[in-house]
Amino acid sequence: KAGVTQTPRYLIKTRGQQVTLSCSPISGHRSVSWYQQTPGQGLQFLFEYFSETQRNKGNFPGRFSGRQFSNSRSEMNVSTLELGDSALYLCASSFGWGVRETQYFGPGTRLLVL
Amino acid sequence: AQTVTQSQPEMSVQEAETVTLSCTYDTSESDYYLFWYKQPPSRQMILVIRQEAYKQQNATENRFSVNFQKAAKSFSLKISDSQLGDAAMYFCAYRSGGIQGAQKLVFGQGTRLTINP
Repeated sequence: KAGVTQTPRYLIKTRGQQVTLSCSPISGHRSVSWYQQTPGQGLQFLFEYFSETQRNKGNFPGRFSGRQFSNSRSEMNVSTLELGDSALYLCASSFGWGVRETQYFGPGTRLLVL
Repeated sequence: AQTVTQSQPEMSVQEAETVTLSCTYDTSESDYYLFWYKQPPSRQMILVIRQEAYKQQNATENRFSVNFQKAAKSFSLKISDSQLGDAAMYFCAYRSGGIQGAQKLVFGQGTRLTINP
């Protein structure tokens, strides 16, 4: 089975622009979570989707949004980019939505905001 | 809110020896899960081992084992017979057992492990 894939792998944007990142979960997985990883703040939870519904959200401003499609693929969008949004964005998928599920991570999208 | 603390930013060990990575957490919940994830350089994060809080027995996965001390809120990872491929950033993570926080992981800051040949 193919693992979690994320596109693009690398991205350079300038302040004020917006960006869309994509995540394709493992085939059959219906839950997708997003995390931001920075040297200063570490790994922080952004949001989680299951069956096209946002189930949980972290403490990020409204500039960060996401969605999930009927095929379980997910996108996250960051509008009005700031320098501090430079980070590795990780996507993780799991089969279902429940505490016993194991999350499998993708390779990440590295975003640089200039 | 739950917090996870890894007090060792860096650790190093000789190949074939044993190393223990420390993790403490703070929570008022009684039902939760703890994890160790490994993130090799420029590679994706993978699950090393998980522990359910309701289980008294420490989890073991081949060369990896944990020492789970619920009362002390401590969750250390022991790697036996260290191999060069074990070199990575190791993250301790917490997940609430309540359905509300089903997939949300709270991570520690990580410990960078170096294996010396």
